[in-house]
Amino acid sequence: NAGVTQTPKFRILKIGQSMTLQCTQDMNHNYMYWYRQDPGMGLKLIYYSVGAGITDKGEVPNGYNVSRSTTEDFPLRLELAAPSQTSVYFCASSDRRRSTEAFFGQGTRLTVV
Amino acid sequence: ELKVEQNPLFLSMQEGKNYTIYCNYSTTSDRLYWYRQDPGKSLESLFVLLSNGAVKQEGRLMASLDTKARLSTLHITAAVHDLSATYFCAVLTQGNNRRLIWGLGTSLAVNP
Repeated sequence: NAGVTQTPKFRILKIGQSMTLQCTQDMNHNYMYWYRQDPGMGLKLIYYSVGAGITDKGEVPNGYNVSRSTTEDFPLRLELAAPSQTSVYFCASSDRRRSTEAFFGQGTRLTVV
Repeated sequence: ELKVEQNPLFLSMQEGKNYTIYCNYSTTSDRLYWYRQDPGKSLESLFVLLSNGAVKQEGRLMASLDTKARLSTLHITAAVHDLSATYFCAVLTQGNNRRLIWGLGTSLAVNP
């Protein structure tokens, strides 16, 4: 049971480039989330999804897009990367039907230069 | 709008001492979670508190929830260096599309 898997673990982007952060979970969880964590700070919710085909904005959605075509996958797309998007990105999932806690991936450390 | 406040944000303590981290939240919720994060690592779930008066313990950590006071505490007993980490509380919103609202975290350093 792999849990929540994020790729890549590290990435350096140039300003204006685009990339997709991948997130897959194998726990059949209905809820999935993308967070960013800036140094010394808490978690800020970017987007979340309550099930396949349903996504919604979190606190800081600007500059990002998501899709949820399957229960397992929840990719995060960065378009036109900016230095302000330098952060650590965490994907998480949870099973609301059983009120479980959120399980986190290992994170993606992104630097935009 | 639900807000979550943790205090203290930074805590330096000696091994063997006891201390409590507090998590206050502003509106009604029936779910509260505590997580641990080691430097450069992901978040690990510690406790899930689901009802008023819930108390959970794991080793030197004990968490409790008072939904009437909208307060959770994470009590550390006889701290050891291995407990050095950042501790987050997160509270689940009510209503449709429930989501977690996070505190800023408490950075704990346990010194010999």
